[in-house]
Order: sequence, then C-alpha cells, then structure tokens
Amino acid sequence: AQSVTQPDIHITVSEGASLELRCNYSYGATPYLFWYVQSPGQGLQLLLKYFSGDTLVQGIKGFEAEFKRSQSSFNLRKPSVHWSDAAEYFCAVGAGAAGNKLTFGGGTRVLVKP
Amino acid sequence: KAGVTQTPRYLIKTRGQQVTLSCSPISGHRSVSWYQQTPGQGLQFLFEYFSETQRNKGNFPGRFSGRQFSNSRSEMNVSTLELGDSALYLCASSSQGITEAFFGQGTRLTVV
Repeated sequence: AQSVTQPDIHITVSEGASLELRCNYSYGATPYLFWYVQSPGQGLQLLLKYFSGDTLVQGIKGFEAEFKRSQSSFNLRKPSVHWSDAAEYFCAVGAGAAGNKLTFGGGTRVLVKP
Repeated sequence: KAGVTQTPRYLIKTRGQQVTLSCSPISGHRSVSWYQQTPGQGLQFLFEYFSETQRNKGNFPGRFSGRQFSNSRSEMNVSTLELGDSALYLCASSSQGITEAFFGQGTRLTVV
C-alpha cells in the first residue's frame, strides 16, 4: 500500500528566508507525486507535480521540488518566502494508471514571521 | 474555464440524518474523486468515479456512497450521520489518463 510521510508538522520561517518541506513516500511502482497548498477553510491548490523525466520540477509561486528515487523523497523548496506563503502544505502520491486516487501526507503548517 | 464547484459550502445536520453533497467537475473532466479531511485523520480518499462507474474505493463504511451522472457531475451521500462525520469534504476532478487533480473549495459538514 502506498503511504506518504511529512515529518514536520509545523515550520516557522522568517519572511525572506528559504523554506524546505520534507516528504517521503512509499510506493511499489513509479510514483506520481504532487504538492498541494491549502489556506484556512479552502480547498487544495496544486503547486507542482512529478510524473517522469527531469527530477527537479518547477511549480507556481516560485516553488520547486526534487524527486530522489534512492531516498524515496520529494522535498519542496522555495528560496525566499513571502508572508502569503503561510498555509498548510500537503505532499501526495497518486495511483497513476489505476485511477485518480491520491494518498496524502499529514501536512506541514508553515508560519511566516515578519 | 470554471473550476470545480461544490455545493453547498456549509451544512449543519443532526445525528441520524442523511446528507447529499454535490460536485460539478471542470468541463471535460470525467473523473471525480471525493476526500474527507478531519484534524485527526487528515485527508482520506473516499471514492472515485469515472464515466458513471466507481473505479476506486477507500476504506469507509457503507454509509458513505456516491454516484456520477452522465454529465460527470457527482454526488456523495452520507446516511445515518454520526458526530465523527463532521469534516471538510473535498471533491477533485481530473481529465482522462495520468494527470493532476483539481480540487473544489469543499463542503464543511457539521453534525450536531
């Protein structure tokens, strides 16, 4: 069965500092990986996705993620955070050809200090 | 292009009642998935419908059911509501094949 672990429940970062959110997955085949962001009371917005190819993927809002098969990781990074980046971030793995079933990590809540 | 639309946005129901939530996918998308989000359990997959057929099912009791219509709109139903069913219910739509899911704003269900 597939699973996703986000080791950090909360992260506090100063505005302008860099951010890295960790994600580890367990999946028997080629994973389809996603990062979503959720503001309070809202739905999920897709930041970026990895299906195949280049292991460094670029997303919206200046985010990027790197797929490392040897470490079963898909960490999200941003060089300089803005106050508007305060939100909860979810990593997810997809079942791919078996259908659109996503397994999510527990989420990481990001707080941005002025 | 309009996004995924979920109605209603908020619902308050009493224990034992039933509830129906609606989801209109992005035009052209044939896959609709439903998720339950709670503080304790996080985001959990309920089921997925594709071309009016349930293609995947999560680990939820039979009180949770769904269906999809020929226009790809989907409904989920929860019968005999329990306090623990209070959650944000999210719907996502995808186009055919391996692709990303786009989420609606969710329906916040409160069971009292």
